[in-house]
Amino acid sequence: SQQGEEDPQALSIQEGENATMNCSYKTSINNLQWYRQNSGRGLVHLILIRSNEREKHSGRLRVTLDTSKKSSSLLITASRAADTASYFCATAFSGTYKYIFGTGTRLKVLA
Amino acid sequence: DVKVTQSSRYLVKRTGEKVFLECVQDMDHENMFWYRQDPGLGLRLIYFSYDVKMKEKGDIPEGYSVSREKKERFSLILESASTNQTSMYLCASSLKRVGYNEQFFGPGTRLTVL
Repeated sequence: SQQGEEDPQALSIQEGENATMNCSYKTSINNLQWYRQNSGRGLVHLILIRSNEREKHSGRLRVTLDTSKKSSSLLITASRAADTASYFCATAFSGTYKYIFGTGTRLKVLA
Repeated sequence: DVKVTQSSRYLVKRTGEKVFLECVQDMDHENMFWYRQDPGLGLRLIYFSYDVKMKEKGDIPEGYSVSREKKERFSLILESASTNQTSMYLCASSLKRVGYNEQFFGPGTRLTVL
């Protein structure tokens, strides 16, 4: 089964609203990363949060990590139509070369 | 500007054909990856390479092989294409310390096998 599971699967909001998506995982991790994918394109790295960090910011993005609950959330504030994309979390854990990707959240921002 | 490029954006092949997908990165990264992406299944790792001529099987290597003769180039080979290999193929690269570094992705190749 997938290490990372995003929730919700799809989200539709109005421009200017905040968007929150969540990721849950199963085993201990070194870090957790969030990626964005525009329709039919490759993934773009957004932010990396290490297992000893609880919160991280990058521009309009805020990521939290709760290792006790094995979950992370990505908040996009003041969303724009250009934020319309799929968002994936990816987890990496020690002793392996694998990044495990979730199935993604499809975000639609309506102008 | 760092880049991962893939040889084709769209590819249509017939069942039984041998298919080559090529990926080139210009960041001098040690690690390179091939994934396939299918609706509802997310990204699944096919193969990983951590050095020239070195490779490791991912989660779904059956029906695929890879080649890494030069550091910057990682090729995915479908020995005899089948319709269930119709998918989006994504190449990625990263610095050596796996699990601690971001991956850089190419634009993807959408392969259709008829």
